[in-house]
Amino acid sequence: DAGITQSPRHKVTETGTPVTLRCHQTENHRYMYWYRQDPGHGLRLIHYSYGVKDTDKGEVSDGYSVSRSKTEDFLLTLESATSSQTSVYFCAISESQENTQYFGPGTRLTVL
Amino acid sequence: KQEVTQIPAALSVPEGENLVLNCSFTDSAIYNLQWFRQDPGKGLTSLLLIQSSQREQTSGRLNASLDKSSGRSTLYIAASQPGDSATYLCAVNIGARQLTFGSGTQLTVLP
Repeated sequence: DAGITQSPRHKVTETGTPVTLRCHQTENHRYMYWYRQDPGHGLRLIHYSYGVKDTDKGEVSDGYSVSRSKTEDFLLTLESATSSQTSVYFCAISESQENTQYFGPGTRLTVL
Repeated sequence: KQEVTQIPAALSVPEGENLVLNCSFTDSAIYNLQWFRQDPGKGLTSLLLIQSSQREQTSGRLNASLDKSSGRSTLYIAASQPGDSATYLCAVNIGARQLTFGSGTQLTVLP
């Protein structure tokens, strides 16, 4: 398995609070991605990174920001969590945009 | 906008049966297509990657085919086992660093 960890694995928070999820990789892959998975919607891309300090928006980026200050870490921040952001969040990595994406174990976030 | 559809949404088969999972996509301009497996409460495990120039890929009991012109891919599982029970997802790489996923087929293999 690719060396990808996500933290925390579970989190319950309240509406309006900031939340940061962390993805850490040991594979030195250039590309990193954040997805959310919801029933009826499948997996949807939130943001991705193609290098240190290089990030771009995905399909459902509103309400989310990201940062990548090191190759191995990609942070996803919800500035002010809303109930609609209750979801399972997955991080993924790949060597290039044409290569296989490898997924982390996921973070289950509940916003009350 | 690329749309990916997987039919059926759920499938139940007896152990030992050969089966086919279907994936269709609306825009044939893809870089590649990936098949993933997801177990309940777990992340996604990559099974096969087919580049747009390829017709099929094989790994063990799994064979994936790609017909870009018709916008279809199939995942063939030979001699199914209860351990194959999971949700199977296909995803198309449309460039711009994005994968577009289908909603998956939930497979149950009965002992």
